[in-house]
Amino acid sequence: QSALTQPASVSASPGQSITISCAGTNSDVGAYNFVSWHQQHPDKAPKLIIYDVTNRPSGVSNRFSASKSGNTASLTISGLQSEDEADYYCSSYTTRKTWVFGGGTKVTVL
Amino acid sequence: EVQLVESGGGLVQPGGSLRISCVASGFTFSSYWCHWVRQAPGKGLVWVASIKFDGSETNIADSVKGRFTISRDNAKNTVYLQMNSLRVEDTAVYYCARDLRPDCLWGQGTLVTVSS
Repeated sequence: QSALTQPASVSASPGQSITISCAGTNSDVGAYNFVSWHQQHPDKAPKLIIYDVTNRPSGVSNRFSASKSGNTASLTISGLQSEDEADYYCSSYTTRKTWVFGGGTKVTVL
Repeated sequence: EVQLVESGGGLVQPGGSLRISCVASGFTFSSYWCHWVRQAPGKGLVWVASIKFDGSETNIADSVKGRFTISRDNAKNTVYLQMNSLRVEDTAVYYCARDLRPDCLWGQGTLVTVSS
C-alpha cells in the first residue's frame, strides 16, 4: 500500500490561509468518506483534527476545515497562527480493510 | 483520565522478538477498534495493524505481515503487538491509537530500536 501523497512543506505568514492536499486513489481516499487529518507538534504524539473528511472533533479550532474531491482530500488552515506550526498527516481507510497515511506536510509560520 | 499508555519498547538485536503493550483507561476499551502506528526517526506516520473491539478481526500491513501479530485482552484493557524477526528498519516509535475516526485518541508512544 503506497502512502498518500502530500506536499513536503507549506509556509505562510500569520493571518494567511494555507491548503494542504492529500492525493490517493479510488481504493482509499476516493472509496470512502473516511479521511482524517492529524496534527503533530515536534516530539509530541499526533492529535486528530478532522475526521470523516469534513468533521472537527470537539475542541478543535474552526480555523481548520477540510474537503474532498474525487481521490484528493484537502485541509485548509485559515488565520494562520504560530501554534499551527506542526506536521500534518492525512489518513484514509482502504478497500483492503487497512489504513494508509500520507507522507506528512511540515507547516511553517513565517 | 482518558488515556492510552504504551510500554515494552527497548533495544533488541536484528532477528529478535519484542512484545509491546498499550493500557487504556478512562473509557470503555471493549467498544473500540485499536491500532498500532509507527514513526521511524525523522519520518512520517505508518499504519501497522488494527484489531476489532472484540478481537474477532485483525488487519496487518504488508510490510510486517507474517512477523507482527496484534492481539487484545479486554479484561485487562490492553492491546499488544508481538514483533518477531525484527529488522533494523523496524526501528521506530510505536503509537497505540483508539479508532482513527471520530473517537481517535493517541498514546505517547514507545521507542523500539533494532540494532546490533
